[in-house]
Amino acid sequence: GAGVSQTPSNKVTEKGKYVELRCDPISGHTALYWYRQSLGQGPEFLIYFQGTGAADDSGLPNDRFFAVRPEGSVSTLKIQRTERGDSAVYLCATARGSGRQDTQYFGPGTRLTVL
Amino acid sequence: DAKTTQPPSMDCAEGRAANLPCNHSTISGNEYVYWYRQIHSQGPQYIIHGLKNNETNEMASLIITEDRKSSTLILPHATLRDTAVYYCIVRVPKAAGNKLTFGGGTRVLVKP
Repeated sequence: GAGVSQTPSNKVTEKGKYVELRCDPISGHTALYWYRQSLGQGPEFLIYFQGTGAADDSGLPNDRFFAVRPEGSVSTLKIQRTERGDSAVYLCATARGSGRQDTQYFGPGTRLTVL
Repeated sequence: DAKTTQPPSMDCAEGRAANLPCNHSTISGNEYVYWYRQIHSQGPQYIIHGLKNNETNEMASLIITEDRKSSTLILPHATLRDTAVYYCIVRVPKAAGNKLTFGGGTRVLVKP
């Protein structure tokens, strides 16, 4: 079946611009997570949705970052006034639920480059 | 913070078994051990998970010590396509929907 998809696969923007990154989950998956991966490091948690609501956004680095999931399916990560330090791969993962045994399946990521 | 310790890198020979160790000495009784791998320029791929008992699936076997303070991921017949960074993760319950906390992982290079 179809896995998690993310668009665009690559995004190049200029410092100060606004960007949106999209995640399409596996059908039926209610839990959705965003992670960020800097070069040479493991992914770091940003935010988690259960259904439509952001259940935990403790990983968002600052208020320039925001994410929505209005219908409990597709999610969009939004970054305002981008900075060069925002350059990273942004990964989305989804799961049937948010229990300890609910496996998270990752998308291919969006590589963001801020010039 | 990640609750696991892994060697930063290891090589293994194609066709041989690859044994990847992981220490998780502070693991609690209800915390699962998960393994993921990340092939270059791809998203992390789920491999296997376990709580107490050894587990096996089509990709790998997971051996967890009786005291649960360490585990070993076994790739029975490594191929060149198994070259990747392997992450051992202890999943903390009720933390942000059981988020995954990645450490540095082990960079595995399978050589012909």
